[in-house]
Amino acid sequence: KAGVTQTPRYLIKTRGQQVTLSCSPISGHRSVSWYQQTPGQGLQFLFEYFSETQRNKGNFPGRFSGRQFSNSRSEMNVSTLELGDSALYLCASSLVYEQFFGPGTRLTVL
Amino acid sequence: EDQVTQSPEALRLQEGESSSLNCSYTVSGLRGLFWYRQDPGKGPEFLFTLYSAGEEKEKERLKATLTKKESFLHITAPKPEDSATYLCAVQVGQGGSEKLVFGKGTKLTVNP
Repeated sequence: KAGVTQTPRYLIKTRGQQVTLSCSPISGHRSVSWYQQTPGQGLQFLFEYFSETQRNKGNFPGRFSGRQFSNSRSEMNVSTLELGDSALYLCASSLVYEQFFGPGTRLTVL
Repeated sequence: EDQVTQSPEALRLQEGESSSLNCSYTVSGLRGLFWYRQDPGKGPEFLFTLYSAGEEKEKERLKATLTKKESFLHITAPKPEDSATYLCAVQVGQGGSEKLVFGKGTKLTVNP
């Protein structure tokens, strides 16, 4: 069974730009969660989608948004990028409780 | 506020030297506790889920245990390939609206 895939794997953007990251969950998994990982803060929850609806949201500004499509694939968008948005963005999918992570997208904001 | 604390932050072991990693938590509505392994530049790899105090799970040289306030990841006779960052997370929330709260991790280095 294929794992969680994320594209692109690496991104370099400049301040003020916006970015869209993509996540394809494990086949049959309907829940997709997004996390931001930085050396200082560790892994922090961004939001979770289930059946195209946002079920839960972390403490991030409104510049961070997401959506889920009918095939469970998900995207997250960050608008007006700031230097502090540089991080590894991880997507995880789950069937019931266990969350399985993708390899992440490394975003660098210059 | 839900909190997860892992200790130590870093641990160096000689090959074959057994030890334990600690994960203590303060949460409301614990749904489950998860252990992950993360290698540099990769996403976390799922290891174990524990749901109730007294529960234990094993996988190769790893054994995870859970009490009401903390969990331990015991590593028996580690090998260099066990070197990684080990992350603990608790699942909180209810009614299908759940999220993982992570600790900062323990970076384990096993020297040959």
